[in-house]
Amino acid sequence: EAGVTQSPRYAVLQEGQAVSFWCDPISGHDTLYWYQQPRDQGPQLLVYFRDEAVIDNSQLPSDRFSAVRPKGTNSTLKIQSAKQGDTATYLCASSRDRNTGQLYFGEGSKLTVL
Amino acid sequence: QQQVRQSPQSLTVWEGGTTVLTCSYEDSTFNYFPWYQQFPGEGPALLISILSVSDKKEDGRFTTFFNKREKKLSLHIIDSQPGDSATYFCAASNVNTGNYKYVFGAGTRLKVIA
Repeated sequence: EAGVTQSPRYAVLQEGQAVSFWCDPISGHDTLYWYQQPRDQGPQLLVYFRDEAVIDNSQLPSDRFSAVRPKGTNSTLKIQSAKQGDTATYLCASSRDRNTGQLYFGEGSKLTVL
Repeated sequence: QQQVRQSPQSLTVWEGGTTVLTCSYEDSTFNYFPWYQQFPGEGPALLISILSVSDKKEDGRFTTFFNKREKKLSLHIIDSQPGDSATYFCAASNVNTGNYKYVFGAGTRLKVIA
């Protein structure tokens, strides 16, 4: 079974530029999460979906961040007008466990904003 | 608001020794506590987890203990190996809500020296 796939693995931007991260969850996993992990910190939830519906986006900086999962499978996280404070690894995770919601993480997309 | 705290921030142990990591939380509604292991350049992976109805769970060299009254957990690794060198995250969630919003601690960086 293939794991969670993310791309690109690395991105380097100047402030003000935009970037999109793509995630392909494990087949059959209906729940998909995007986490932000700053260097030397734990993952912090940005948004999560069940199928194509947004369940919680309360931690997503809505003025510059957006996330979609139009067909309930792959997902894209977009950052517009990036800031240095956005420098972090963006982790995608998926789940189908109704008891505990066990997360399966991808390798992450490491963003550096200069 | 830091709801899950981990200590120590980093730890070095000798091969064969016992590693003890600790975690505390604030939200009394949390009832599920997974520990994730993360190697550099990879996403976190579930190591072991415990529900609040239990006070101990063991999996090979790894044991997690839960103290509901004190709102504390610990992860014990016996016969620590260099391959255990990684960052360990404690997380917490309320699985009764059906919304699996995990809160992660900042992590403990473990180095095992041969």
